Amino acid sequence: DVKVTQSSRYLVKRTGEKVFLECVQDMDHENMFWYRQDPGLGLRLIYFSYDVKMKEKGDIPEGYSVSREKKERFSLILESASTNQTSMYLCASSLGPNQPQHFGDGTRLSIL
Amino acid sequence: AQSVAQPEDQVNVAEGNPLTVKCTYSVSGNPYLFWYVQYPNRGLQFLLKYITGDNLVKGSYGFEAEFNKSQTSFHLKKPSALVSDSALYFCAVRDGTLTFGKGTMLLVSP
Repeated sequence: DVKVTQSSRYLVKRTGEKVFLECVQDMDHENMFWYRQDPGLGLRLIYFSYDVKMKEKGDIPEGYSVSREKKERFSLILESASTNQTSMYLCASSLGPNQPQHFGDGTRLSIL
Repeated sequence: AQSVAQPEDQVNVAEGNPLTVKCTYSVSGNPYLFWYVQYPNRGLQFLLKYITGDNLVKGSYGFEAEFNKSQTSFHLKKPSALVSDSALYFCAVRDGTLTFGKGTMLLVSP
């Protein structure tokens, strides 16, 4: 069965810290995505990647960067965490552009 | 740019009754439409998709969705609701990347 694993379910960090969120998929999917989910706003796309070492900005990339050194791993980086980045972060992967995305269980990140 | 609207923040239905969760979309070109469900403290799970073909699409857990091009709608339906269907439902449209609606909370009472 398809599995997308996010390294932490809950994370608490301080303002100004550099934060790494890790995501691993075991399905040999080409496409990987990072979203943030906030109440009343739905899911918003931060960054995505259609291939190793490739990355594209989504709708809200400011304050974030990503890394994809291997096909199965897609990391989201908060360069200098701020309180407005407190949110639920969801990673997803898909086989192709019209194929369903498979989601991890999310990381609830709190920035104090 | 594409957009998705889910006009209801919450839908309440009694167990055994039919349910409908509404979704309308705006996209240039042919729409690729999806429904996902999210249970508490979990990621999203894929329910069904419309790419082309029959306007009535069947998906997981007895759900189906009706694509209506003239009304630009893709409503999610189920003939008989279960308490275990209570969850947050998201409609999404693909035009390059996926754009999600804000979600509709479905509450099924016993």
